[in-house]
Amino acid sequence: QKEVEQNSGPLSVPEGAIASLNCTYSDRGSQSFFWYRQYSGKSPELIMFIYSNGDKEDGRFTAQLNKASQYVSLLIRDSQPSDSATYLCAVRGQAGTALIFGKGTTLSVSS
Amino acid sequence: GAGVSQSPSNKVTEKGKDVELRCDPISGHTALYWYRQSLGQGLEFLIYFQGNSAPDKSGLPSDRFSAERTGGSVSTLTIQRTQQEDSAVYLCASSPQTGLSGNTIYFGEGSWLTVV
Repeated sequence: QKEVEQNSGPLSVPEGAIASLNCTYSDRGSQSFFWYRQYSGKSPELIMFIYSNGDKEDGRFTAQLNKASQYVSLLIRDSQPSDSATYLCAVRGQAGTALIFGKGTTLSVSS
Repeated sequence: GAGVSQSPSNKVTEKGKDVELRCDPISGHTALYWYRQSLGQGLEFLIYFQGNSAPDKSGLPSDRFSAERTGGSVSTLTIQRTQQEDSAVYLCASSPQTGLSGNTIYFGEGSWLTVV
């Protein structure tokens, strides 16, 4: 059974701080990794994806992937209260296989 | 359409009744997913359709659950003899293709099911 693990939180950070969200996965053959944000009562929306080891930056967001450690993280710089949401990590194995989600980490940014 | 469309948006049903939930994916998307999310919980994978390939049904929780996709487009998720634990939001998502560049999936607004 392929598993994606996240700390459920809540993770609380003050406004302007860096929030660090972590995710581990069990399938060593996984090829693509996604971070979604979900506001309460809403559907998940894509923040960013990463395929290669290393860092990928998009605005205030940086995804980090380490396939050897089976670990992917999301850093949010200059956190804002509007970033308060649940962040879902999702992992896909080989192309053509299902996308599996973790249970999500709840982030709370206080002003 | 512009996005993934799901219907009904809300459904209240009596325990033991059958329900059908519909998903209309983004035009041209070959992959379609169903997920379930119970209150305060993560996304539970149910089933995945990819083009003409046999669907991945490994996430269906019981034989009361089934899904089909007609003509490679619209999908229907059927829950027979509903139970109270089936109460959840059922999310449909679609994706353009299987290559790495097309792996991003886009969600509909969900169908909120309440079994009373």
